[in-house]
Amino acid sequence: DVKVTQSSRYLVKRTGEKVFLECVQDMDHENMFWYRQDPGLGLRLIYFSYDVKMKEKGDIPEGYSVSREKKERFSLILESASTNQTSMYLCASSPPGQGYEQYFGPGTRLTVT
Amino acid sequence: RKEVEQDPGPFNVPEGATVAFNCTYSNSASQSFFWYRQDCRKEPKLLMSVYSSGNEDGRFTAQLNRASQYISLLIRDSKLSDSATYLCAVNGGGGSYIPTFGRGTSLIVHP
Repeated sequence: DVKVTQSSRYLVKRTGEKVFLECVQDMDHENMFWYRQDPGLGLRLIYFSYDVKMKEKGDIPEGYSVSREKKERFSLILESASTNQTSMYLCASSPPGQGYEQYFGPGTRLTVT
Repeated sequence: RKEVEQDPGPFNVPEGATVAFNCTYSNSASQSFFWYRQDCRKEPKLLMSVYSSGNEDGRFTAQLNRASQYISLLIRDSKLSDSATYLCAVNGGGGSYIPTFGRGTSLIVHP
């Protein structure tokens, strides 16, 4: 059974802080993704990675960066948190290729005050 | 222009009813199609893949209509526990494996 874990379920940070969100998957998946989900806007892709040290921008990368030093771990970094980054952040992984579904972590609800 | 569109609902149905959702997509080269279920404050989880020939899993039936570019999800004999948001996802097109998700359709099943 695929397991995707995220470092925190709930996080409260102050404006301007640097925030690290960690995601780990245990199924040796090549692809990993970071999304944010907001009411009425659905899932929006921030960044994805198809291999170690490889990353590609998604639809809304501004204000975020990522790191993938190991295959199983994909980190999302908010360099200077802002209130408009208050959201639910979801990590996902999938095997390579286009025919596979994604497996999601439980999400981190981030509040920036 | 949205690439994947769903009626947000909510669809409010009594237990035992049959309900159907559609999801339209704009990229005719799309290759893979999925339905996910998302409970309140939880992560999306795969409900079922959608195959060209259609597929059924218990009370759930998924179909693909490539000509009209939509997928559908039919739920028969609705249960209270079916209340959730149903997201469609469309992969591929131009070699991309990045899925595009719809915004979801909310289903509320009442006694």
